[in-house]
Amino acid sequence: AQSVTQPDIHITVSEGASLELRCNYSYGATPYLFWYVQSPGQGLQLLLKYFSGDTLVQGIKGFEAEFKRSQSSFNLRKPSVHWSDAAEYFCAVGAPGTSYDKVIFGPGTSLSVIP
Amino acid sequence: SAVISQKPSRDICQRGTSLTIQCQVDSQVTMMFWYRQQPGQSLTLIATANQGSEATYESGFVIDKFPISRPNLTFSTLTVSNMSPEDSSIYLCSGGTGGGYTFGSGTRLTVV
Repeated sequence: AQSVTQPDIHITVSEGASLELRCNYSYGATPYLFWYVQSPGQGLQLLLKYFSGDTLVQGIKGFEAEFKRSQSSFNLRKPSVHWSDAAEYFCAVGAPGTSYDKVIFGPGTSLSVIP
Repeated sequence: SAVISQKPSRDICQRGTSLTIQCQVDSQVTMMFWYRQQPGQSLTLIATANQGSEATYESGFVIDKFPISRPNLTFSTLTVSNMSPEDSSIYLCSGGTGGGYTFGSGTRLTVV
């Protein structure tokens, strides 16, 4: 079964600074990988996803993530953070080729942005 | 990507009662999933719902407590039965095919 960890429970950055949120997964083959964002009181929004191909994935809102098989990682990055990026970020992993193709979520990283 | 409508968006229920949550997808999807998000926590998968067969439940979740229906490829319901305050959470459905899943907006349930 797949699993995912997010080592950072909470991160604080200044507006305009760069951001990197870490995600590590465990799965025997190449998984599906996702980053979701959840703003306070809001639903989940898909930022980007990786299925195969180019390991650098571009998403919405200026986010990108890089799949590194050797490190079992899928870190999320943004070159310049905006105050509106303050939210909870979830990394998730799916297991292609399994019977139910379910998606498991990491514990989340809470991002605070200092004006 | 599919668009999922989920209702109710929130409810306050008495302990011992049941609540049924509905999810309608605007296109046919192979898989639908139900998650629970307890306050301040991540999403925990409750079960996977495949059309025409019984749902598959994750460890710690049972059909008697969380019965699920999946009558067709665009609709699913989750019932939270015999509720207690510990069931107070956000419940979300998700659907899609081939790993490209979208989420409903969630049902915020408070049990008093």
